[in-house]
Amino acid sequence: LAKTTQPISMDSYEGQEVNITCSHNNIATNDYITWYQQFPSQGPRFIIQGYKTKVTNEVASLFIPADRKSSTLSLPRVSLSDTAVYYCLVGDRVPYSGAGSYQLTFGKGTKLSVIP
Amino acid sequence: DAMVIQNPRYQVTQFGKPVTLSCSQTLNHNVMYWYQQKSSQAPKLLFHYYDKDFNNEADTPDNFQSRRPNTSFCFLDIRSPGLGDAAMYLCATSSPTSGQFFGPGTRLTVL
Repeated sequence: LAKTTQPISMDSYEGQEVNITCSHNNIATNDYITWYQQFPSQGPRFIIQGYKTKVTNEVASLFIPADRKSSTLSLPRVSLSDTAVYYCLVGDRVPYSGAGSYQLTFGKGTKLSVIP
Repeated sequence: DAMVIQNPRYQVTQFGKPVTLSCSQTLNHNVMYWYQQKSSQAPKLLFHYYDKDFNNEADTPDNFQSRRPNTSFCFLDIRSPGLGDAAMYLCATSSPTSGQFFGPGTRLTVL
């Protein structure tokens, strides 16, 4: 099980780019890296997923170095509405029936506060 | 829109009185999950289904049970809720090519 480590909190001003790094030193070959956003009293929301190098979608980019022992979520030009907790998750993308090694463990998350 | 629906959004029960939370999905995903999230903590996986195959996390208390009668529905049964079971319960689904899609959660209060 790949344990993840993230900063507990980060502050940023509106309009800035925010980079949140997650460490996962014992990531396994089959593991993907997924990031979620969670607002208070809501379920987490999928942001982005990647296996290696760089992935970009309409809301974020995910940078994964060659050794895959860390990953960085990049949020361009944050706004007040981006204030939330961001979780990095590492694990198999698909649980195989009966496979005891499939686990999804959320780390403590990073609380991002965007300041006006 | 395709989504994950949880009912009720808020549930109040008494200490020791069984309670059932429900989840439905219109995404036709073959994997469904139940998480428990306590205040200011990360979600904790209780169990998941791959189709009808049930997978229990090692540290999930026996007090928690689950049923998945078909692809669309999944239920969480708490047989004898204690004060420590008060939490947000999150249902999620996933497909082989996606991350997890979460429902809005059911907030359980135990009196």
